[in-house]
Amino acid sequence: GDSVTQMEGPVTLSEEAFLTINCTYTATGYPSLFWYVQYPGEGLQLLLKATKADDKGSNKGFEATYRKETTSFHLEKGSVQVSDSAVYFCALRRSQGNLIFGKGTKLSVKP
Amino acid sequence: DAMVIQNPRYQVTQFGKPVTLSCSQTLNHNVMYWYQQKSSQAPKLLFHYYDKDFNNEADTPDNFQSRRPNTSFCFLDIRSPGLGDAAMYLCATSRDPRDWGETQYFGPGTRLLVL
Repeated sequence: GDSVTQMEGPVTLSEEAFLTINCTYTATGYPSLFWYVQYPGEGLQLLLKATKADDKGSNKGFEATYRKETTSFHLEKGSVQVSDSAVYFCALRRSQGNLIFGKGTKLSVKP
Repeated sequence: DAMVIQNPRYQVTQFGKPVTLSCSQTLNHNVMYWYQQKSSQAPKLLFHYYDKDFNNEADTPDNFQSRRPNTSFCFLDIRSPGLGDAAMYLCATSRDPRDWGETQYFGPGTRLLVL
């Protein structure tokens, strides 16, 4: 069945460091791909998305490119801030509409 | 602001005692979802409503039920909670499940503790 695998955390970085969180998926067909973020004490919020191969989603300095050939959707940011500390979830959307999530990667950014 | 609201944020219940979690939305979305998220695990879909149509995931235990009395509200009922049902329960909404790129909007979640 459909599944999402993302890198284990926690990830600890210094402010202004480069961030990569790996995400790969297994799915039939061509799912839409999403990154959601969960800040402490809050619900999940959409960070970015891509709906077809080679699409690049971007928001708040974060980027991810839908790579069909490697079934990947890695999240990157060139310079992280303390305010980026959160849990990041990669997800794919099934044809029925619901999301299949990865386990989440906790990011801590130190000043 | 339009939003998804979950009450309560924390719920403590006793083993075997029925409990109901609540979700409401001001987005006027057609679809409402319930996810279960256990510690350090991915959120997992339990079921969803598309308007009044209920869609249960094949592996959702019978112990879990849901009601949607109107567009704005959706409830999750756990008939006889076990210790393994302790988790964060997330409610989400979306407008049209046929839109491949559509965003789901999540509430803050209700953390359930079973004693």
